[in-house]
Amino acid sequence: QKEVEQDPGPLSVPEGAIVSLNCTYSNSAFQYFMWYRQYSRKGPELLMYTYSSGNKEDGRFTAQVDKSSKYISLFIRDSQPSDSATYLCATDSGGGADGLTFGKGTHLIIQP
Amino acid sequence: KAGVTQTPRYLIKTRGQQVTLSCSPISGHRSVSWYQQTPGQGLQFLFEYFSETQRNKGNFPGRFSGRQFSNSRSEMNVSTLELGDSALYLCASSFGGTVTDTQYFGPGTRLTVL
Repeated sequence: QKEVEQDPGPLSVPEGAIVSLNCTYSNSAFQYFMWYRQYSRKGPELLMYTYSSGNKEDGRFTAQVDKSSKYISLFIRDSQPSDSATYLCATDSGGGADGLTFGKGTHLIIQP
Repeated sequence: KAGVTQTPRYLIKTRGQQVTLSCSPISGHRSVSWYQQTPGQGLQFLFEYFSETQRNKGNFPGRFSGRQFSNSRSEMNVSTLELGDSALYLCASSFGGTVTDTQYFGPGTRLTVL
């Protein structure tokens, strides 16, 4: 079982909808949680970074971490066609020894 | 500020050959990490270099190796290529390589092994 599980999608929603992207993880040592966005033929870019449990908001994006259930979420409000990309969750224990542990990514399509 | 650059962008090799990929980090960044991305396994950590020293290593065979130069540029080498090595190889740079330092990814090198 991979340490971080993520539904690959594709997830297709109409423009303006609220999008919910989710990951689960198994290693309780993970303390740092990130969301990356990857456009086709590009490298991933960091969207959100959260330490431990709680919520973090940045514009239309909200990241949520529930360590008790080992569940990570990213919400996108007022979704735009330009949000169409693959979204990857990533975790780290903070020790640095294993680098970031990524989910496989969810392919999101926002229909105009 | 220029981003992370990787060369070449695309590469085709045959089984048994070896390949060297190059990564130039953002100016001032001293940490370079390498990742392999495949549809089946997703992004997997290969290794991280900081100030010319390999600091961390993922679970990959010894055919995968790397190095970092004094100007922080990094290369990774794969010897005796196998079909399963076909992947997008990404490098990421950060200032200090700690988990709180943002990693900036390059566009990747797409390696195809025939």
